[in-house]
Amino acid sequence: AQSVTQLGSHVSVSEGALVLLRCNYSSSVPPYLFWYVQYPNQGLQLLLKYTTGATLVKGINGFEAEFKKSETSFHLTKPSAHMSDAAEYFCAVSEDGGTSYGKLTFGQGTILTVHP
Amino acid sequence: NAGVTQTPKFQVLKTGQSMTLQCAQDMNHEYMSWYRQDPGMGLRLIHYSVGAGITDQGEVPNGYNVSRSTTEDFPLRLLSAAPSQTSVYFCASSFTPGAEAFFGQGTRLTVV
Repeated sequence: AQSVTQLGSHVSVSEGALVLLRCNYSSSVPPYLFWYVQYPNQGLQLLLKYTTGATLVKGINGFEAEFKKSETSFHLTKPSAHMSDAAEYFCAVSEDGGTSYGKLTFGQGTILTVHP
Repeated sequence: NAGVTQTPKFQVLKTGQSMTLQCAQDMNHEYMSWYRQDPGMGLRLIHYSVGAGITDQGEVPNGYNVSRSTTEDFPLRLLSAAPSQTSVYFCASSFTPGAEAFFGQGTRLTVV
């Protein structure tokens, strides 16, 4: 069965500081991994995804994430936070086989606050 | 290009009433899902479908039914609404399990 754990329901950083949002997953087959962002009263928007190939993936708005199979992690980072990054971020996993085929499972979400 | 369309955007139900949340996509996506979003709980999967005629339960299926008679539509039925079903509901679709999922704008449901 697949699952996602996001460490830290709230993360607060200063503008210009490093953003690090943590995500660990479990999967019985090679996973597809995603980060989505949700701004207030809106739907979800894809930031980046890992399917196969290069383990460091770059997304929109300067975000990137690294797939580490040995640690079952897919942490999201951004070198310098901007006020407009304040939002809720969700890590998600899906599988192209196994008992969870076709399922897209989300973590609990991390609310990012950026202080001036 | 409409993407994923959910209706209605807002709904208030009385306990025990039934209703159907509509979801339609025009991208010819095989994979569709319904989620509910509650504070601190993330998005929890209710039901999902990997193609017309094929549905399966997610994490929180009790009290909800789905069917998928066409590729485009994936309605979610609340059989007998309860206050615990007060939530924001999102429908999503994707072309493959590894592709980006596109989300509707959500339905805010209140059960009184």
